[in-house]
Amino acid sequence: DTAVSQTPKYLVTQMGNDKSIKCEQNLGHDTMYWYKQDSKKFLKIMFSYNNKELIINETVPNRFSPKSPDKAHLNLHINSLELGDSAVYFCASSQVDRGNTEAFFGQGTRLTVV
Amino acid sequence: AQTVTQSQPEMSVQEAETVTLSCTYDTSESNYYLFWYKQPPSRQMILVIRQEAYKQQNATENRFSVNFQKAAKSFSLKISDSQLGDTAMYFCASFGNEKLTFGTGTRLTIIP
Repeated sequence: DTAVSQTPKYLVTQMGNDKSIKCEQNLGHDTMYWYKQDSKKFLKIMFSYNNKELIINETVPNRFSPKSPDKAHLNLHINSLELGDSAVYFCASSQVDRGNTEAFFGQGTRLTVV
Repeated sequence: AQTVTQSQPEMSVQEAETVTLSCTYDTSESNYYLFWYKQPPSRQMILVIRQEAYKQQNATENRFSVNFQKAAKSFSLKISDSQLGDTAMYFCASFGNEKLTFGTGTRLTIIP
């Protein structure tokens, strides 16, 4: 029973297209995140949502729009894809107010823009 | 702002040996949490060990232990009796300002 699941695992698409990545967590956590891992393996936060409210937006281009329909889901929509968007995108969740800030990660989505 | 620094991009060690991965951090938070995550070739991010900053005792999880030096802002990971399955990228991370901040990672290779 997967704790944090994201789909798809792999996504290959052409420049200029619009695509979405979905994420769901069944841990009952109130905070969800999107992280981007570049080709050098560096992990950087993009967005954070707490109970469906955006709390962190780390200077991400407007082409990236997160949506949280409920606290168990956080989807990422990307418009007008560019070559530089190629990366692995990780969804994660945590329950910060319990004092245990361990983040559980999904398996990642490898996005390749051609 | 938080920063996490891992100064060893790559390390390798013989199977069954002990290896220590270094990490230093900086934070303005008074209470914070530190983590080591492992990322094997499968790319799954796996929590290895967690340390709460207000606890003086170093965390231990089986073959994995940390050396937490709060004054020096140092948080190193020791892997004892290394196994082939320990081959992975290892990321040090700090939780503060409502997010995890990661270091650049250390690629660890265990040699048979």
